Amino acid sequence: EDQVTQSPEALRLQEGESSSLNCSYTVSGLRGLFWYRQDPGKGPEFLFTLYSAGEEKEKERLKATLTKKESFLHITAPKPEDSATYLCAVHTTDSWGKLQFGAGTQVVVTP
Amino acid sequence: NAGVTQTPKFQVLKTGQSMTLQCAQDMNHEYMSWYRQDPGMGLRLIHYSVGAGITDQGEVPNGYNVSRSTTEDFPLRLLSAAPSQTSVYFCASSPKGYEQYFGPGTRLTVT
Repeated sequence: EDQVTQSPEALRLQEGESSSLNCSYTVSGLRGLFWYRQDPGKGPEFLFTLYSAGEEKEKERLKATLTKKESFLHITAPKPEDSATYLCAVHTTDSWGKLQFGAGTQVVVTP
Repeated sequence: NAGVTQTPKFQVLKTGQSMTLQCAQDMNHEYMSWYRQDPGMGLRLIHYSVGAGITDQGEVPNGYNVSRSTTEDFPLRLLSAAPSQTSVYFCASSPKGYEQYFGPGTRLTVT
């Protein structure tokens, strides 16, 4: 059975304190791995897609990386506006169009 | 472009009542889907559609019905509401079934 696990469940950071979020996955075959940001009371906002091991994507203070078993979302020198829940999802080869989501990591960045 | 829109934003139903959650997109995306989000469980796929006239079940389809008569609209029907259907519902669309773009959500309470 396909599984997506995110850790930690919650993360509290000081402004400027870099850290990483983990998304580990066990799937039959990976088509793509997606990262989303979700603010309270809003829908998830698409951030990145990663397709193959070794791939990296960057956007402002966020950098996503992918290995054969997990993905990391690195937050460099975070600011309070980076506070959100970060979700990862996988798209597998035997379930076209169906995303399977992890439970998310809630990040709080304090000034 | 308005993107993905959902109505209503909030709804309270009594057990046994039926209702339809509306979803529309103006991006001419072929793929649309419905998710529910519950605390600690992440987003779970209810139903999805790969084009007008074509729908299929996701992970948690029981108690819900969908149809897709146009590219733009993908309504979700609750046939006989139950307290277990209390959740936040998100509609999403995608040009190819990969990156999905989410609406703002409908918060449903069933008493």
